[in-house]
Amino acid sequence: SQKIEQNSEALNIQEGKTATLTCNYTNYSPAYLQWYRQDPGRGPVFLLLIRENEKEKRKERLKVTFDTTLKQSLFHITASQPADSATYLCALASYNTDKLIFGTGTRLQVFP
Amino acid sequence: DSGVTQTPKHLITATGQRVTLRCSPRSGDLSVYWYQQSLDQGLQFLIQYYNGEERAKGNILERFSAQQFPDLHSELNLSSLELGDSALYFCASSTPKGINTGELFFGEGSRLTVL
Repeated sequence: SQKIEQNSEALNIQEGKTATLTCNYTNYSPAYLQWYRQDPGRGPVFLLLIRENEKEKRKERLKVTFDTTLKQSLFHITASQPADSATYLCALASYNTDKLIFGTGTRLQVFP
Repeated sequence: DSGVTQTPKHLITATGQRVTLRCSPRSGDLSVYWYQQSLDQGLQFLIQYYNGEERAKGNILERFSAQQFPDLHSELNLSSLELGDSALYFCASSTPKGINTGELFFGEGSRLTVL
């Protein structure tokens, strides 16, 4: 069956370090992958989209990589700040569908 | 503010009852998506509508139904409620070109508690 896996354990890092979050998927042929941020009790907010033919995408302190051979995406936040503390969700969509399927998310905690 | 409006924000009801959740998408967006988020299940895709027509379906229970109206607002109807239906229900919309060109815009959710 199709599965999107993110580390369910919280990631705790010190301010200023780089946070790296992982998204692995099985039995998918995604056309593209998106990353969202979700704060407690709020709706997810879009961060980045990367297509299957793109290896890497950057936006300010954020970087996403997409390896369709490993079936994995890595999400990096450089120079992390306490304000980056949130849950980060990856989501996949296949060709010819608008159905966006989410992973369970990884909670990031950045401490001073 | 995403521009997606959901009502009510909170709802408490009893088992066996029926509720309706409402969503107004961003101005100009034709697609509406419904997701359910509970603590142990994460964000689960329920159903998607595009310009009034059902476009994609997830693991939506038969007790649940949805529709999108001509003015593009959408309603999610939940009936014969069970304790396990307690969750946050999110609505999202996307641009007319679809989500392969960008993101979903999520509302703030409707928190349903079934007692």
